[in-house]
Amino acid sequence: DQQVKQNSPSLSVQEGRISILNCDYTNSMFDYFLWYKKYPAEGPTFLISISSIKDKNEDGRFTVFLNKSAKHLSLHIVPSQPGDSAVYFCAASSRNTGNQFYFGTGTSLTVIP
Amino acid sequence: DGGITQSPKYLFRKEGQNVTLSCEQNLNHDAMYWYRQDPGQGLRLIYYSQIVNDFQKGDIAEGYSVSREKKESFPLTVTSAQKNPTAFYLCASRLTDQPQHFGDGTRLSIL
Repeated sequence: DQQVKQNSPSLSVQEGRISILNCDYTNSMFDYFLWYKKYPAEGPTFLISISSIKDKNEDGRFTVFLNKSAKHLSLHIVPSQPGDSAVYFCAASSRNTGNQFYFGTGTSLTVIP
Repeated sequence: DGGITQSPKYLFRKEGQNVTLSCEQNLNHDAMYWYRQDPGQGLRLIYYSQIVNDFQKGDIAEGYSVSREKKESFPLTVTSAQKNPTAFYLCASRLTDQPQHFGDGTRLSIL
């Protein structure tokens, strides 16, 4: 059973506009959420994280929003750049799952110049 | 430079053979992980280890084995019991309460 879901397999955005990537989860015990960026034939690279005590975390052009009541998080990239084109994975864990992380299926973002 | 090294980048296996994928880290991380990625799917956990000489099964451990004799090393063996071993394999490590760092992966193909 998929505990972390990314329902949009792909997204295309014009350069300079905002990219919004979404992620839903089912386990209310999750308390730590992360976004990773992945290029083909490479490992994922950590982008940004948020703990359940916050509802927003910002790092430069990247902002993650967490809505615990809706079990939903989103990653906003603004302004989007062509170099942002990659697959983005969200992941979640909790103290109850120990060191185990659960990943979504990924969203492929294409930023059009 | 500190990081996680996976080798080889591409690996071919004949049916019925066991094959071992290497993962080494010099980040002094305690926990290490193995994931499998298939097309259109997320990362699925095979095994993880929180300390030396200890490891736990993930969601898809059948047909795989691991060892953790040293803190720096966490090799994964794909046995002949794994019915569909063709995939992209990723190794990761982390410090407690920190994000995982990933290697660049090994792509395993069956001849």
